[in-house]
Amino acid sequence: DQQVKQNSPSLSVQEGRISILNCDYTNSMFDYFLWYKKYPAEGPTFLISISSIKDKNEDGRFTVFLNKSAKHLSLHIVPSQPGDSAVYFCAGLISGGYQKVTFGTGTKLQVIP
Amino acid sequence: KAGVTQTPRYLIKTRGQQVTLSCSPISGHRSVSWYQQTPGQGLQFLFEYFSETQRNKGNFPGRFSGRQFSNSRSEMNVSTLELGDSALYLCASSSLGGEAEAFFGQGTRLTVV
Repeated sequence: DQQVKQNSPSLSVQEGRISILNCDYTNSMFDYFLWYKKYPAEGPTFLISISSIKDKNEDGRFTVFLNKSAKHLSLHIVPSQPGDSAVYFCAGLISGGYQKVTFGTGTKLQVIP
Repeated sequence: KAGVTQTPRYLIKTRGQQVTLSCSPISGHRSVSWYQQTPGQGLQFLFEYFSETQRNKGNFPGRFSGRQFSNSRSEMNVSTLELGDSALYLCASSSLGGEAEAFFGQGTRLTVV
């Protein structure tokens, strides 16, 4: 049962344009959502998170939107840069004393110069 | 502040052997989680340790086990290796504070032949 789904395995965007990466989840128990970026042969790097009680969180070029009723979140990167080319993982977290993070399968973003 | 350190970085084993992977978390972090990453399944949660106790376990067979030492360093062991165990094994540490972001190591690439 895939509790966190990233239905687009890949995405290509022109440099300077907006990249939108989507994520759907089924587990209503998640109280935080996280986005990670991963380059080949490296571990994931934390990008941005959002609490389930918020609908938007912004950090520089990265903004995450959460629609709880639709169980959907998205990561917007504006403007996209070639260095943003990587695999992006969406993850749901159930907190409250333990740390279990459930990841999606990832979306490979390619930013074309 | 040193990051999460995983050793070894690369490992080749034959079927039926066992393997032990090591993870040193960020200083002060008491939670260590292990993940398996394969191309088809994405990142899958193995288990999480906190203060030498396993608090969470994913859906992996008993061949996969782990432990945590008093200094928070963790080891993961896989016995009777199978070809399907070939993957990137990632360790993440967390202090469990606030939004509980997890910091990952670079991973150990295990190849079973």
